[in-house]
Amino acid sequence: GDSVTQMEGPVTLSEEAFLTINCTYTATGYPSLFWYVQYPGEGLQLLLKATKADDKGSNKGFEATYRKETTSFHLEKGSVQVSDSAVYFCALSDRNDYKLSFGAGTTVTVRA
Amino acid sequence: DTAVSQTPKYLVTQMGNDKSIKCEQNLGHDTMYWYKQDSKKFLKIMFSYNNKELIINETVPNRFSPKSPDKAHLNLHINSLELGDSAVYFCASSQTTGLVSREQFFGPGTRLTVL
Repeated sequence: GDSVTQMEGPVTLSEEAFLTINCTYTATGYPSLFWYVQYPGEGLQLLLKATKADDKGSNKGFEATYRKETTSFHLEKGSVQVSDSAVYFCALSDRNDYKLSFGAGTTVTVRA
Repeated sequence: DTAVSQTPKYLVTQMGNDKSIKCEQNLGHDTMYWYKQDSKKFLKIMFSYNNKELIINETVPNRFSPKSPDKAHLNLHINSLELGDSAVYFCASSQTTGLVSREQFFGPGTRLTVL
């Protein structure tokens, strides 16, 4: 079945550091890929998405590119802020399935 | 306007009790979901309804029963609560017909604590 593997946390960074969270997937079809963010005490929010190979999703300074050849969708941000401290989830949705398959989540803490 | 809302936000109860969590979405979506998030933040799909029809029913104890009175509402009733039911429960919705990406929109969560 479909699955998502993302790098384990926790990740602790200083402000203005570069952030990368690795995500790889396994899917039989042509999935759409997502990054969700969960701030402390809140629900999940869609951060960015990509629906086909080579698409780049971007939002709030975060970027991720859908790489079919490496089955990856790594999240990057060039300069993090304290307000980026959150749990980040990689997820995929197969067009033939109603489910979102989530990775285990990566906790990111940014220190001033 | 809140897109996906849940009530209550916090629920503290004793073992053996029965409780319900309500969810409403005003996005006009045709599909709604319940997820359970454990203490390690792992998210697990429990149920999904599409146009009031149950389409996903993962391996969940039958003490959990979803009910969808209409497309905009999906409630979760839990009988005979156990300590292991303590978690955060998230409702979500999506539009699954006519769209490729099917992103889901999440409610703020209900933190259930069973004592």
